[in-house]
Amino acid sequence: NAGVTQTPKFQVLKTGQSMTLQCAQDMNHNSMYWYRQDPGMGLRLIYYSASEGTTDKGEVPNGYNVSRLNKREFSLRLESAAPSQTSVYFCASSTGTASGNTIYFGEGSWLTVV
Amino acid sequence: QQQVKQSPQSLIVQKGGIPIINCAYENTAFDYFPWYQQFPGKGPALLIAIRPDVSEKKEGRFTISFNKSAKQFSLHIMDSQPGDSATYFCAASRGGANNLFFGTGTRLTVIP
Repeated sequence: NAGVTQTPKFQVLKTGQSMTLQCAQDMNHNSMYWYRQDPGMGLRLIYYSASEGTTDKGEVPNGYNVSRLNKREFSLRLESAAPSQTSVYFCASSTGTASGNTIYFGEGSWLTVV
Repeated sequence: QQQVKQSPQSLIVQKGGIPIINCAYENTAFDYFPWYQQFPGKGPALLIAIRPDVSEKKEGRFTISFNKSAKQFSLHIMDSQPGDSATYFCAASRGGANNLFFGTGTRLTVIP
């Protein structure tokens, strides 16, 4: 089982460039998430999608957009990258809400904005 | 504002020792408290979770202790092994919510 697959694994961007992080899950999960992980701050939710066709903001949504393309895929877009967006990004999914359901994470995408 | 406060930031123990990681929260609406384990270069993975209606939960060598009145919970790792060396995150969420609030993480090193 692939689980949660995200691409690319590593990316270096210049300030102002745009890019899209892709994510797909093969577990037929309804909910999908994008988190960022920064040293000393743990993981923080950027956006989530409770079901196909819906998306909602998390704790730190500014500077990001998302698309729930279908039940399997959930992409994260940086329209104009800033150095503050240098981080490790994790896509994740779960059968239902985050409360009480196991959240399965991808292996992460390391993004550096210079 | 950190919804879940975690300590210590790092921890080094000898093989066989019992590392303890502590977390505290303020929001009394939280009703689900998982712990995630993360190895370098990997995503976090669920280790064990507890609801506030019980004070302790054990799964293998891992135990969560929960103190509802103090709004604190902790992870104990019995007979720790070098393979337990990882970063551990506590987290909390409330019923029906899609946001899981994570602590800042504890890097555990178990020395052979």
